Amino acid sequence: DAGVIQSPRHEVTEMGQEVTLRCKPISGHNSLFWYRQTMMRGLELLIYFNNNVPIDDSGMPEDRFSAKMPNASFSTLKIQPSEPRDSAVYFCASSLRRGSYNEQFFGPGTRLTVL
Amino acid sequence: GEDVEQSLFLSVREGDSSVINCTYTDSSSTYLYWYKQEPGAGLQLLTYIFSNMDMKQDQRLTVLLNKKDKHLSLRIADTQTGDSAIYFCAEIIAGNMLTFGGGTRLMVKP
Repeated sequence: DAGVIQSPRHEVTEMGQEVTLRCKPISGHNSLFWYRQTMMRGLELLIYFNNNVPIDDSGMPEDRFSAKMPNASFSTLKIQPSEPRDSAVYFCASSLRRGSYNEQFFGPGTRLTVL
Repeated sequence: GEDVEQSLFLSVREGDSSVINCTYTDSSSTYLYWYKQEPGAGLQLLTYIFSNMDMKQDQRLTVLLNKKDKHLSLRIADTQTGDSAIYFCAEIIAGNMLTFGGGTRLMVKP
């Protein structure tokens, strides 16, 4: 398996532009997570999906952020409009929950820079 | 990660043992995890421990769990320069969600 795939790996954009980050989870996994990592705040969970349904989006910073999972093999995280403070590394992770054991597999991340 | 606490930084010499500590909050956590993040990469599961265990050993890694104090530690024996990375402990909270600590940056000097 190729693991969790994220694209793009790097994104540089100007303030006010729309940004779309993409994720392909590991085939067969039923949970998908979006995280944001910054030096100041560490690793933050933004939203997670179970069987394509958003379960907890309490970590989404504000209405400028939205996430979708139209099917089991694809998810997007959109920021519109983007701001410099959104600059961070965004990770997607997926897992297949077995009882209470939950190993999350992380993608390589998208490094976003908003100028 | 505000509920799971780790020290920020650890520096050791190559060949020494490293001990990374973590305190967690939920005494009902069934599994506790250690993840490793190498530069420019995502997190990768290193090891885990089930809550009914006190210790787990896996080659150079030893995990110790003190449930009474909600304290978790990761010991790396014979630390190598390739072990330089950020190490995160994590516990399961509601449902499928993991709460991660802030990460401990391990630097191994040759």
